Amino acid sequence: GAGVSQSPRYKVAKRGQDVALRCDPISGHVSLFWYQQALGQGPEFLTYFQNEAQLDKSGLPSDRFFAERPEGSVSTLKIQRTQQEDSAVYLCASSFGPRETQYFGPGTRLLVL
Amino acid sequence: TQLLEQSPQFLSIQEGENLTVYCNSSSVFSSLQWYRQEPGEGPVLLVTVVTGGEVKKLKRLTFQFGDARKDSSLHITAAQPGDTGLYLCAGKGATNKLIFGTGTLLAVQP
Repeated sequence: GAGVSQSPRYKVAKRGQDVALRCDPISGHVSLFWYQQALGQGPEFLTYFQNEAQLDKSGLPSDRFFAERPEGSVSTLKIQRTQQEDSAVYLCASSFGPRETQYFGPGTRLLVL
Repeated sequence: TQLLEQSPQFLSIQEGENLTVYCNSSSVFSSLQWYRQEPGEGPVLLVTVVTGGEVKKLKRLTFQFGDARKDSSLHITAAQPGDTGLYLCAGKGATNKLIFGTGTLLAVQP
């Protein structure tokens, strides 16, 4: 594909449910980032992968959040036992290298009821 | 915790007016980027400024990086409805993650 794709685009979950959000980066991009964006605010960093290695997970808000990128391409962000405060847009970005321009996907809008 | 404060938070202007958005930080950044985000989409990079005092122009948009590399501004001349969106500044420090500002929501009325 031409850009970063994310699925699903929208997800409604009941409080306590587990959700999995998928990110397909641009082909050949080794760096992958996840951000969380509250309504009307700037995105906040969650975690960063270099190939399959998770090099920085300092932004994950709790141990209910887990991310993986097992083959160094597609990444999944999993949120266990969702809470209302998890409602946000989750953005994925990829770049050719760690210091190169990050290209963002359209995001997954998560609403926890 | 956001380290970059943007002002104003909201701005609604008429087509043809000029505007300036400010991005201020207490930290020094090696570079600073400006993004524009439209509803339902991810942020799209507009420009990267690296050198203190640097000025970059992109058509009707002028970006400036402060001498101390702690602040930046975005000036739009003769705004058009197509400029409507959320404007975000972002710094990249020693790590590779982006630290985004609080955002400025711009609405340009025709």
